[in-house]
Amino acid sequence: DADVTQTPRNRITKTGKRIMLECSQTKGHDRMYWYRQDPGLGLRLIYYSFDVKDINKGEISDGYSVSRQAQAKFSLSLESAIPNQTALYFCATSSFSGYTFGSGTRLTVV
Amino acid sequence: GQQLNQSPQSMFIQEGEDVSMNCTSSSIFNTWLWYKQDPGEGPVLLIALYKAGELTSNGRLTAQFGITRKDSFLNISASIPSDVGIYFCAGQSLTSGTYKYIFGTGTRLKVLA
Repeated sequence: DADVTQTPRNRITKTGKRIMLECSQTKGHDRMYWYRQDPGLGLRLIYYSFDVKDINKGEISDGYSVSRQAQAKFSLSLESAIPNQTALYFCATSSFSGYTFGSGTRLTVV
Repeated sequence: GQQLNQSPQSMFIQEGEDVSMNCTSSSIFNTWLWYKQDPGEGPVLLIALYKAGELTSNGRLTAQFGITRKDSFLNISASIPSDVGIYFCAGQSLTSGTYKYIFGTGTRLKVLA
């Protein structure tokens, strides 16, 4: 099993719909992150969590919310999806040694 | 705030050529990491550097932690088609016992057979 698992891998949704992207990790790390990647751009941080009771906004949190259900689970929600949220989304965990990324969720909002 | 400048932004090279890319920062880092992202996948760690001046290899990849602790470079020797992807650097800083990572914007590598 992958260390960081994201579901779904691909999703097409309509404008205005609520959608949740899920992430689970088996690394036992406290820190978890959600990043967004657009074509030609790097990784932009949406939200991060340093432990179950800690949630922090990243550089592009508007239009997104998160839930840290357990140490191993960190979900990202789009309350009302819009087309410019079409992107590749990555969940990651980190320890002092570095990051481990999931394989990504490709989200298309039509 | 801290920023990482990664260059070049993209490269087109012939198979067999060597590749160099680098990251520079306005701040000091304690650790430098290099990741590769294959098309459609998440970034995967290639090399980690923990000491200024450190030179580390992983197969055809060689990375160095700059003496000033503000830069790092990654070299790929004798490139092959599967080297295609996006390469990210990341720098780690420690502040009051708390670590933070910053990612570069990536170098997109295309290898022409």
